[in-house]
Amino acid sequence: EDQVTQSPEALRLQEGESSSLNCSYTVSGLRGLFWYRQDPGKGPEFLFTLYSAGEEKEKERLKATLTKKESFLHITAPKPEDSATYLCAVQAWSRGGADGLTFGKGTHLIIQP
Amino acid sequence: ETGVTQSPTHLIKTRGQQVTLRCSSQSGHNTVSWYQQALGQGPQFIFQYYREEENGRGNFPPRFSGLQFPNYSSELNVNALELDDSALYLCASSLETSGANVLTFGAGSRLTVL
Repeated sequence: EDQVTQSPEALRLQEGESSSLNCSYTVSGLRGLFWYRQDPGKGPEFLFTLYSAGEEKEKERLKATLTKKESFLHITAPKPEDSATYLCAVQAWSRGGADGLTFGKGTHLIIQP
Repeated sequence: ETGVTQSPTHLIKTRGQQVTLRCSSQSGHNTVSWYQQALGQGPQFIFQYYREEENGRGNFPPRFSGLQFPNYSSELNVNALELDDSALYLCASSLETSGANVLTFGAGSRLTVL
């Protein structure tokens, strides 16, 4: 069974204080690892897809990296508008039929001015 | 692109009732999936429809069913509602490809079962 564990559950940072969010995963065969951002009362918003170990992607103050067992979401010099819940999810290669994404519980990030 | 829209945004039902949630997928997307998100949890996969047929299901009982229509709309039906069905129900559309599918989510329908 595919599993995703995110840590920490919650993180409070000062504006400009860089940090990293962790996503540990086990999957039978990785089709893709996703990072989503979710604001209160809204659906998840796509950030990145990573496909293989060693891959990195960047968008503004965010950078996602991938190893065979973990992914990290690095946040550099965050601003208050980066406050959100960050969700990690994996998709496995189908064993017949379609496998949906397996999500972690998320990291609730608060950036204080 | 119009994105993914869901209705209703909020609704309250009582235990044992039935509910239908609706979704309009992003234009051009041939796949729709539904997720259940309990408070403080990540979304859980319910099922996926591709070209109007269910082609994948998560660990949910048969009282959760769905339909996908040719006009990019879809429905999630839940029969015999239970208290634990209270959650945010998310619809997501995607374009089925050979690679990993990027899901575009709607804002969700928040169901409360009393």
